[in-house]
Amino acid sequence: GDSVTQMEGPVTLSEEAFLTINCTYTATGYPSLFWYVQYPGEGLQLLLKATKADDKGSNKGFEATYRKETTSFHLEKGSVQVSDSAVYFCALSDTGAGSYQLTFGKGTKLSVIP
Amino acid sequence: EADIYQTPRYLVIGTGKKITLECSQTMGHDKMYWYQQDPGMELHLIHYSYGVNSTEKGDLSSESTVSRIRTEHFPLTLESARPSHTSQYLCASSKISYNEQFFGPGTRLTVL
Repeated sequence: GDSVTQMEGPVTLSEEAFLTINCTYTATGYPSLFWYVQYPGEGLQLLLKATKADDKGSNKGFEATYRKETTSFHLEKGSVQVSDSAVYFCALSDTGAGSYQLTFGKGTKLSVIP
Repeated sequence: EADIYQTPRYLVIGTGKKITLECSQTMGHDKMYWYQQDPGMELHLIHYSYGVNSTEKGDLSSESTVSRIRTEHFPLTLESARPSHTSQYLCASSKISYNEQFFGPGTRLTVL
C-alpha cells in the first residue's frame, strides 16, 4: 500500500538557519504530493503541493520538488523564522487508485529559537 | 466566507457520558473526513463520507459513529466516552474528485 516516511523530530533551529525536512514515499500509481503545516492549537493548512514529477511547489518561502527517481519530496526553506515553529506533515494522494484519500507521514515538529 | 468549523474547541467530560462533536463546512464539498490525532501528532483516519447518507470507516478502528444527513454537516458521536478516547479530533472536507483537503481547527477532547 501507499506510505509516507518523513524524518523524525523534533527539529530545533536558530532563526535564519536553513531548513530541510526529508520525505520519501511509496505509491503504486501516480501520486500528488503535499506538505501541510499545523500551528499550535490549530488544524492543518496546506502549505504547498506538486502533482507530477519535477514540479516544484512553493509558498511562504518554503519549497519542495517532486523527485520521481528518488521518490522524494523534501521540504526546504532558506531562512526560518520563529513564526515557522509548527508541525509539518508530508502527504500523498494516489489518484490512480481512484479514492483521492490522503496518506500522511507521522509529522515533524519544528521549533525555531531566536 | 467559505470555511470549515468545529465545535466545541475544547471539551472535558466524565467517563460514560455521550458526546457529539460538531463539524460544518460552507464550501459545498461532498467529501468529509474525521481524523484522530494522537499526542505524538500522528493522524489516523477514523471516518469519511462521500456525500449525504454515505459513511465509511477509516484505517483506524474507532468506537465513534458518524452521520451525514446534510451535505454541510458531519457530526461524530461517542455513546459512552472513556479515558482512551482522550485525543484531538480533526474534521476535513474536499471536493469529490480532488485530493486537497481543508481542515477545521480541531476539538481537543479529555475524558476523565
